Amino acid sequence: DIVMTQSPDSLVVSLGERATINCKSSQDVLSISNNKNYLGWYQQKPGQPPKLLIYWASTRESGVPDRFSGSGSGTDFTLTISSLQAEDVAVYYCQQYYSTVTFGGGTRVEIK
Amino acid sequence: QITLKESGPTLVKPTQTLTLTCTFSGFSLTSSGMSVGWTRQPPGKALEWLALIYWDGDQRYSPSLKSRVTITKDTSKNQVVLTMTNMDPVDTATYYCAHGTTMTGFAYWGQGTLVTVSS
Repeated sequence: DIVMTQSPDSLVVSLGERATINCKSSQDVLSISNNKNYLGWYQQKPGQPPKLLIYWASTRESGVPDRFSGSGSGTDFTLTISSLQAEDVAVYYCQQYYSTVTFGGGTRVEIK
Repeated sequence: QITLKESGPTLVKPTQTLTLTCTFSGFSLTSSGMSVGWTRQPPGKALEWLALIYWDGDQRYSPSLKSRVTITKDTSKNQVVLTMTNMDPVDTATYYCAHGTTMTGFAYWGQGTLVTVSS
């Protein structure tokens, strides 16, 4: 099975500053047939279910603010919040859905 | 509007079998590419994917739990059922069902149901 490793475990960022979360998969999640990376990013706030932010590594889900962006390919991926807002305090998870499903261990984002 | 709701016992005893039902609306699990999956989250811990069933009946399982978990669907009732045998206190978690496609991951989630395993 594919193992997803996120870093850092937690992140403290000032309001308006950039937050960067990394995710590494133990195997390639790029499909040769359609050149898509089967990698998603989720945001989870306390007491709520996860919310899909990004799929195909870089496609924003409908309604997601454009300060959220995803990048990367193959085995290395990044979620960037370009200007952190108070409502972005949450735990963020990457997920591969190339071969069944695996989640990363999560990254907690807090305000400095 | 797509909605999903989990239902089942909130408390089970060790060694018992857990049965959870996900009742959904707003999509058809007979449509190509559709899927419903189960994910759990122990208190204060990370998400752990458990199982997935596709529109065509294909079932996929977490390798670490494959021997204990079964996922089935009843398209006439718009329900997906998860059973997990031999429950243990470490299985205490919030269990979520979620809807996705083969292309996008899980775009819709239920609110989750907390299952406690205790004698």
